[in-house]
Amino acid sequence: AQSVTQPDIHITVSEGASLELRCNYSYGATPYLFWYVQSPGQGLQLLLKYFSGDTLVQGIKGFEAEFKRSQSSFNLRKPSVHWSDAAEYFCAVGRSGSQGNLIFGKGTKLSVKP
Amino acid sequence: NAGVTQTPKFQVLKTGQSMTLQCAQDMNHNSMYWYRQDPGMGLRLIYYSASEGTTDKGEVPNGYNVSRLNKREFSLRLESAAPSQTSVYFCASSHRQGLAGEQYFGPGTRLTVT
Repeated sequence: AQSVTQPDIHITVSEGASLELRCNYSYGATPYLFWYVQSPGQGLQLLLKYFSGDTLVQGIKGFEAEFKRSQSSFNLRKPSVHWSDAAEYFCAVGRSGSQGNLIFGKGTKLSVKP
Repeated sequence: NAGVTQTPKFQVLKTGQSMTLQCAQDMNHNSMYWYRQDPGMGLRLIYYSASEGTTDKGEVPNGYNVSRLNKREFSLRLESAAPSQTSVYFCASSHRQGLAGEQYFGPGTRLTVT
């Protein structure tokens, strides 16, 4: 069965430091992969997505993610974190044989120290 | 352009009461979804509608019913609320059917059942 694992429940980084959020997936075919961000009290916003092609994808707000098939990973990165990046981040994989359903990881909460 | 809207934003119910959560999208999307979000659980799919006139169960459908009223609107009904249904409910929509397309989320409804 498909699954998504985000190993880190909570990460704290200093403002200006680099960030990497981990995501591993279990999927039998080429996955459709997504990263969403949720600010406190808000809905989810799509940061970036990977369907095919270049394995390094650029998203909004200066985020990027790299698809590594050999490691079944789709880690999210940002070179310099801003205080406004404090939020919860969800990795998701598209479910095969369905009508567009996503399987979400449990999320990683990012705190940013001044 | 409002995107995906949800009403109400907050609701408190007593055990056994019923209510309907409303969702509407103005993006002419074919597919709509209802998720619940619980702490440490990520998002779990309750029901989805691949297109107008069709609905299907997701991962956690028990205790819920849905109606795809038209292409724009997708409602979620709790017939007899239980404390286990205390959660934040998100509606989402996407253009693609079939393999996962980008989903756009509403701001959520925070429901408490006492």
